Amino acid sequence: NAGVTQTPKFQVLKTGQSMTLQCAQDMNHEYMSWYRQDPGMGLRLIHYSVGAGITDQGEVPNGYNVSRSTTEDFPLRLLSAAPSQTSVYFCASSFSWDRLNYGYTFGSGTRLTVV
Amino acid sequence: TQLLEQSPQFLSIQEGENLTVYCNSSSVFSSLQWYRQEPGEGPVLLVTVVTGGEVKKLKRLTFQFGDARKDSSLHITAAQPGDTGLYLCAGHNSGGSNYKLTFGKGTLLTVNP
Repeated sequence: NAGVTQTPKFQVLKTGQSMTLQCAQDMNHEYMSWYRQDPGMGLRLIHYSVGAGITDQGEVPNGYNVSRSTTEDFPLRLLSAAPSQTSVYFCASSFSWDRLNYGYTFGSGTRLTVV
Repeated sequence: TQLLEQSPQFLSIQEGENLTVYCNSSSVFSSLQWYRQEPGEGPVLLVTVVTGGEVKKLKRLTFQFGDARKDSSLHITAAQPGDTGLYLCAGHNSGGSNYKLTFGKGTLLTVNP
């Protein structure tokens, strides 16, 4: 079982460039989400999805887009990278939003640097 | 906005010592989870507590959920270097449209051999 797979693991972007962070899970989880983790700020929710075709904003959605065309995949798009988006990004999934009691499975993260 | 405060922020101890870390909020949560995160990796779920007053044990780790479901503690007995990591608590409220976990900022534990 691969769990939650994130690619790439590391990425350097120039200001203004765009890119997509990939996230795939093979556990048939309905709920998927994207977090960013910054020193002193903890984990902050960017976007989440409660099922295929349904997405919504979290705490810090500006500058990011998501889509959920399949149960397995939940890509995060940076439209025009800014230095403030330098962070470690984590994708997480769970059975369903009302079974969050069972916890999240996290990917191993993407470390993004915007110069 | 629901907030979870974790304390201490940093903790450095010697192998064999006991320790307790805390997770507190002014809000009530329907469940609370504890995760451990190692450098370069994502958080890994340790336990979920759902009932006020609940105590769960995982080998040398003991987790407690407060009676009022506003706070939780993690106690480690005879800490080992392998316990080193960032410990995160996260609260969830079922019902309504709150489809997310609220994370604390974590306690960074270092266990020295």
